[in-house]
Amino acid sequence: AQSVTQLDSHVSVSEGTPVLLRCNYSSSYSPSLFWYVQHPNKGLQLLLKYTSAATLVKGINGFEAEFKKSETSFHLTKPSAHMSDAAEYFCVVSDRGSTLGRLYFGRGTQLTVWP
Amino acid sequence: NAGVTQTPKFRVLKTGQSMTLLCAQDMNHEYMYWYRQDPGMGLRLIHYSVGEGTTAKGEVPDGYNVSRLKKQNFLLGLESAAPSQTSVYFCASSLSETQYFGPGTRLLVL
Repeated sequence: AQSVTQLDSHVSVSEGTPVLLRCNYSSSYSPSLFWYVQHPNKGLQLLLKYTSAATLVKGINGFEAEFKKSETSFHLTKPSAHMSDAAEYFCVVSDRGSTLGRLYFGRGTQLTVWP
Repeated sequence: NAGVTQTPKFRVLKTGQSMTLLCAQDMNHEYMYWYRQDPGMGLRLIHYSVGEGTTAKGEVPDGYNVSRLKKQNFLLGLESAAPSQTSVYFCASSLSETQYFGPGTRLLVL
């Protein structure tokens, strides 16, 4: 069975400081993993995805995530937060065991960036 | 190329009323999905479709019906709305694993 746990429901950082959003996954298969971002009153935008190539994945807006199989983790990081990064972030695992590629969402982490 | 669009953006219903949410995609994707988003719950899959004329139940299908008569459209119906269906509804489409989302429909059931 597939599932995702986002370890923090809220994260607050100051502008210019590093961002770390934590995600652990459970998957019966070799997973595909995603991070999506949702700005207020907007739809979801794909930040980055891991599909069994390089374990360090670079995404848009300076974000990156590292797939660690031994720790079943896929944490999202950014070296320096910007005010525009304030949003809700979702870690997602794909059910690659089915032809559908069904997605399983974490509950989200709300990122606040202080000036 | 508009991507995934949803109609309407916002709707208020009274308990027992019916309505249909429309999702349209112009990317020629085979797969389409309907999710609902509730605070602290992430997104939960309501129904999905793997192609024109086919639909299947997701995680939370009760109280909803869907139809996929054309490849580019995926309709979500509420036959008799309940306050528990107050939520934000997202449609998505995909060719493979990566799903592309619409902007959402906010539904309030009084």
